[in-house]
Amino acid sequence: SQQGEEDPQALSIQEGENATMNCSYKTSINNLQWYRQNSGRGLVHLILIRSNEREKHSGRLRVTLDTSKKSSSLLITASRAADTASYFCAQRGDYKLSFGAGTTVTVRA
Amino acid sequence: DAGVIQSPRHEVTEMGQEVTLRCKPISGHNSLFWYRQTMMRGLELLIYFNNNVPIDDSGMPEDRFSAKMPNASFSTLKIQPSEPRDSAVYFCASRLGLRETQYFGPGTRLLVL
Repeated sequence: SQQGEEDPQALSIQEGENATMNCSYKTSINNLQWYRQNSGRGLVHLILIRSNEREKHSGRLRVTLDTSKKSSSLLITASRAADTASYFCAQRGDYKLSFGAGTTVTVRA
Repeated sequence: DAGVIQSPRHEVTEMGQEVTLRCKPISGHNSLFWYRQTMMRGLELLIYFNNNVPIDDSGMPEDRFSAKMPNASFSTLKIQPSEPRDSAVYFCASRLGLRETQYFGPGTRLLVL
């Protein structure tokens, strides 16, 4: 039931570097959301971008949305060890979210 | 705020046994979702309740799975009989009204031997 595809599947970066991950989706959306999942934990909502928005910021997070290409990107700037997690995009259609496969980010100290 | 509470956190059972997973949503939230997460299939929505009523159960894999929400503060997901392929992490999430953010519980890690 995965509607989105994240790219890359895994990413390893040095602390302080930026991490960029992409998400492609297939159907029209009301909004697109990004969630983080730390190992062994539940998902935590990070940021939401609506279909009529092109870019949004929240702290060290920057999300872009290109509805013509059905794609979104999540940028984490100045990464920290605590950013090590899996990141999922989720497209909101009607009432439910459809999650992608996720990008696993490892931040090396 | 206690967040979404799930129990048990870990469950190991033998094939054929009945398994019951429990969820307490955040107080005041009127939407509840059950998800299953596996390496092969990722995060799948199993069933969605709104105001205690099942709205969409199209993700429930088969008749062995059933879910109930007898009141606004409690939901169960039951698997009977369980099979090894049911091994996964099961998450419950709740949401307030039409707000966008879903709040996930810590999950129940189920292993069926």
